[in-house]
Amino acid sequence: QQPVQSPQAVILREGEDAVINCSSSKALYSVHWYRQKHGEAPVFLMILLKGGEQKGHDKISASFNEKKQQSSLYLTASQLSYSGTYFCGTRRVGKLIFGTGTRLQVFP
Amino acid sequence: EAQVTQNPRYLITVTGKKLTVTCSQNMNHEYMSWYRQDPGLGLRQIYYSMNVEVTDKGDVPEGYKVSRKEKRNFPLILESPSPNQTSLYFCASSSRPGLAGSYEQYFGPGTRLTVT
Repeated sequence: QQPVQSPQAVILREGEDAVINCSSSKALYSVHWYRQKHGEAPVFLMILLKGGEQKGHDKISASFNEKKQQSSLYLTASQLSYSGTYFCGTRRVGKLIFGTGTRLQVFP
Repeated sequence: EAQVTQNPRYLITVTGKKLTVTCSQNMNHEYMSWYRQDPGLGLRQIYYSMNVEVTDKGDVPEGYKVSRKEKRNFPLILESPSPNQTSLYFCASSSRPGLAGSYEQYFGPGTRLTVT
């Protein structure tokens, strides 16, 4: 079963912040985040392995609450280059199961 | 340059005509995988391979076949394509899951398939 992402879409002005959530009905052992720009392949952002861990990538950070089976991606002071679709994913043995994605658009 | 390549990039075919989409990586990765991407459904895994001669089903394997005879190649085969297989397909590779630093998947550029 795919993780559920919310919101489905976000529209921002440059400099604004956004949060993208990812939740699963099954236990999460790790959460992977990818970004896909329009017409391109997905690109790895980060992975979180343990509950409560936070990681950062430029001004993009994420948290992972193992007990709640949730992860959140934080985009701070958004830039035009942040536009794209963000996917969370969770690994189950050899499978990597992605959520349905959150489309983020940043305007000047 | 480290990369995953796919061919062809675009393909229009007719129902029932067998086709193969090739995927190759030059990073000596053990793990390779195929995904299809459809609007509103995100990326769904078709098949994956943990190593040569080891393949397993993902979430949407029906109508697809794969083989892994060499480490660098992982072709996707559609024996009898149908219109519901019209989609954008991505191949990806990574180091073996579970090993330190093995998490990042590198995606190929995608193959847009249309079955009429």
